[in-house]
Amino acid sequence: AQSVTQLGSHVSVSEGALVLLRCNYSSSVPPYLFWYVQYPNQGLQLLLKYTSAATLVKGINGFEAEFKKSETSFHLTKPSAHMSDAAEYFCAVSDTDKLIFGTGTRLQVFP
Amino acid sequence: EAQVTQNPRYLITVTGKKLTVTCSQNMNHEYMSWYRQDPGLGLRQIYYSMNVEVTDKGDVPEGYKVSRKEKRNFPLILESPSPNQTSLYFCASSGPLAGSSYNEQFFGPGTRLTVL
Repeated sequence: AQSVTQLGSHVSVSEGALVLLRCNYSSSVPPYLFWYVQYPNQGLQLLLKYTSAATLVKGINGFEAEFKKSETSFHLTKPSAHMSDAAEYFCAVSDTDKLIFGTGTRLQVFP
Repeated sequence: EAQVTQNPRYLITVTGKKLTVTCSQNMNHEYMSWYRQDPGLGLRQIYYSMNVEVTDKGDVPEGYKVSRKEKRNFPLILESPSPNQTSLYFCASSGPLAGSSYNEQFFGPGTRLTVL
């Protein structure tokens, strides 16, 4: 069975600092991997996805993630945090049509 | 515009009062599903449907029912809601994306349910 683990339920960074949100997956087959963002009181928005093409995936709002098979990881990064990045972030792995989500990481950005 | 719609967006109800949350998609997708989101637990699948008249349990189906009489609609029914069903609910549909090897997921805006 596939699963996703997000390390750190809360991450705090200063504005302008590097954002690193960690995601490790477990899958017996080549996975499809996703990062979603949820801003306060809003729905889910797809940030980026890995579908077995390039291992470095660029998404919206300056985010990117790198698929590392040897480490079974798909960490999300952004070089410089903005206040508007404060949100909850979910990593997910696709099991055919079903998405299996991690428990989420809440990102706080301090001025 | 391709979209998944849910209604209502917010609902406060009392224990035991039957309710239905509607979900509709305009993309002719065969696969639809319901998730609930709870703090610290992420999103968990409640029920899914592979096609009309085909539904199956997800990871947390207890206390819920669904139906799929039409391809576009997939309502979530709580026959006797209880406070532990207070949650944020998302409907999703998925279908093939041109040039892709996987099915793209589309989420509705969410329904925030409070059961008193």
